[in-house]
Amino acid sequence: RKEVEQDPGPFNVPEGATVAFNCTYSNSASQSFFWYRQDCRKEPKLLMSVYSSGNEDGRFTAQLNRASQYISLLIRDSKLSDSATYLCVVRWRSGGAGGTSYGKLTFGQGTILTVHP
Amino acid sequence: EADIYQTPRYLVIGTGKKITLECSQTMGHDKMYWYQQDPGMELHLIHYSYGVNSTEKGDLSSESTVSRIRTEHFPLTLESARPSHTSQYLCASSAFGAGSGYEQYFGPGTRLTVT
Repeated sequence: RKEVEQDPGPFNVPEGATVAFNCTYSNSASQSFFWYRQDCRKEPKLLMSVYSSGNEDGRFTAQLNRASQYISLLIRDSKLSDSATYLCVVRWRSGGAGGTSYGKLTFGQGTILTVHP
Repeated sequence: EADIYQTPRYLVIGTGKKITLECSQTMGHDKMYWYQQDPGMELHLIHYSYGVNSTEKGDLSSESTVSRIRTEHFPLTLESARPSHTSQYLCASSAFGAGSGYEQYFGPGTRLTVT
């Protein structure tokens, strides 16, 4: 089983639509959660961190459910420029005594979103 | 924009050649990483470093090696390139500690093709 699993899509939606992506992770010791965005043939860039209470950044809303080990990203009022691959990313405690975290991230395969006119 | 650079951006090379992929960052980040990504697939961590003279192998086994002699520089070397090494190689860096949010900044990548 993969450590971070996402529905690869692709999701094809019209402009203005609302779309939601889900992600599950297998390690209950996971500490931090993120959504990255990767445009075609480009490097990944941080879209937003995901906090336990849920958080919103403009048209983007992220939710975390630790009990179900599940993360979601909601995009409202989709724009053509939202077309990209969305990567679910997890960091968990690792390393020596005391569980020192070294910031290693595990990336999901990504969900492809295409927004059309 | 992140100040992390990779050269070359594209490399086509024959089997058996030795290659070095360069990665430099000017943000003073302690931690640096190398990922490998095939088209349509997830990123796999192949090497990381917590600071000068510190290097570790990542989650995906790789025949490449790395060095970290200076904070800003984290080159990756393949002693003898093979077609199976064809992939995109992404370098990243992050600051140390929870205050940084653990965000990793990525370079533009090197797209390697071994013929």
